[in-house]
Amino acid sequence: LAKTTQPISMDSYEGQEVNITCSHNNIATNDYITWYQQFPSQGPRFIIQGYKTKVTNEVASLFIPADRKSSTLSLPRVSLSDTAVYYCLVGGFKTIFGAGTRLFVKA
Amino acid sequence: DTGVSQDPRHKITKRGQNVTFRCDPISEHNRLYWYRQTLGQGPEFLTYFQNEAQLEKSRLLSDRFSAERPKGSFSTLEIQRTEQGDSAMYLCASSLGAVAGGPETQYFGPGTRLLVL
Repeated sequence: LAKTTQPISMDSYEGQEVNITCSHNNIATNDYITWYQQFPSQGPRFIIQGYKTKVTNEVASLFIPADRKSSTLSLPRVSLSDTAVYYCLVGGFKTIFGAGTRLFVKA
Repeated sequence: DTGVSQDPRHKITKRGQNVTFRCDPISEHNRLYWYRQTLGQGPEFLTYFQNEAQLEKSRLLSDRFSAERPKGSFSTLEIQRTEQGDSAMYLCASSLGAVAGGPETQYFGPGTRLLVL
């Protein structure tokens, strides 16, 4: 199972774009990259998933370079309600959560 | 709401007591997972089911823990002789098993927060 490395924490201001990068050097050929968001006392919530290049949905974008050894979650124009922990996961159904990235959005 | 549900949401018990948690997955999902999460950490995998079969258990799952998924629908996680170290959030997730090589997304419930006094 591929291990991921993310920054422990990040600060931002409302209205800014936030990019969180995740390293996954030993990603396997069949592995997908998935990002989750978690608020205190709630279960993780699926944000976005991708395999290569770029994926965009109504919430975020996911950028994956050609070598797939890293990925970047991009949150456009964050608001206070985006303050949460963001997890990057790599693999199939047996995934390992790291400690995630604590994003704190300030007014 | 057709998401994953868990019951109870909170449980306080005394050390040595048994507790049981229930998870109702999204109805068409064939895989069900249990995780444990302590403060400041990401969820840790405990076990998972494919339909009614329990296919994998983590080494974290001591003999005091048992999980079942009768008929491949809801699941229960029982902790016997609880210890203070069992205090954590217990999360359930479900997914629709992907075809080989395809993506799979787990959908999580709200969790059951256990406090062992």
